Amino acid sequence: TQLLEQSPQFLSIQEGENLTVYCNSSSVFSSLQWYRQEPGEGPVLLVTVVTGGEVKKLKRLTFQFGDARKDSSLHITAAQPGDTGLYLCAGVGRTSGSRLTFGEGTQLTVNP
Amino acid sequence: DAGVIQSPRHEVTEMGQEVTLRCKPISGHNSLFWYRQTMMRGLELLIYFNNNVPIDDSGMPEDRFSAKMPNASFSTLKIQPSEPRDSAVYFCASRPLAGGLSDTQYFGPGTRLTVL
Repeated sequence: TQLLEQSPQFLSIQEGENLTVYCNSSSVFSSLQWYRQEPGEGPVLLVTVVTGGEVKKLKRLTFQFGDARKDSSLHITAAQPGDTGLYLCAGVGRTSGSRLTFGEGTQLTVNP
Repeated sequence: DAGVIQSPRHEVTEMGQEVTLRCKPISGHNSLFWYRQTMMRGLELLIYFNNNVPIDDSGMPEDRFSAKMPNASFSTLKIQPSEPRDSAVYFCASRPLAGGLSDTQYFGPGTRLTVL
């Protein structure tokens, strides 16, 4: 079973601060996705990273896939209250076909 | 585009009762996924279908759970008999292409199930 561990589990910060969320595994993934989930809704895809070492930017969000494709990070610059939500990483294993393995999530709260 | 539609949004039932959750995927998507989300275990894949055929049901917890996809526009997840530990939010997701590693899964709003 491939496991993804996210840290921290909970994060409460003030508006304007920077933060980084980590997603780690001992397994290699073919690709890794980051989702954001708001209360009462399903997760929404933010980004997919496929190549080891890949860096993708989405406005104030920067996503990085580790060189060995075992880990990833999400960095948010100048966080805003609208960034509040549950951030989930999900990996596609080399032999798992179409199934995604989700991390437990990081609950981010940005206080105004 | 209506997105993935799930019904009901909320279900409260008593232990031992049968529960049926429904999902309508996005038109044209040919992969469908059922997930369960709890505080303790996070988001877990239960089963997924490609072209209406079950591909991987290894996440289905036990025989009390069953899923069907009679056609490309409808799927059900049934729990019989239900137990309090089945209380969770159940999500359905669909995807446009089968087998693509980086394809996006589109999630429905979920069904919050409470078994008393």
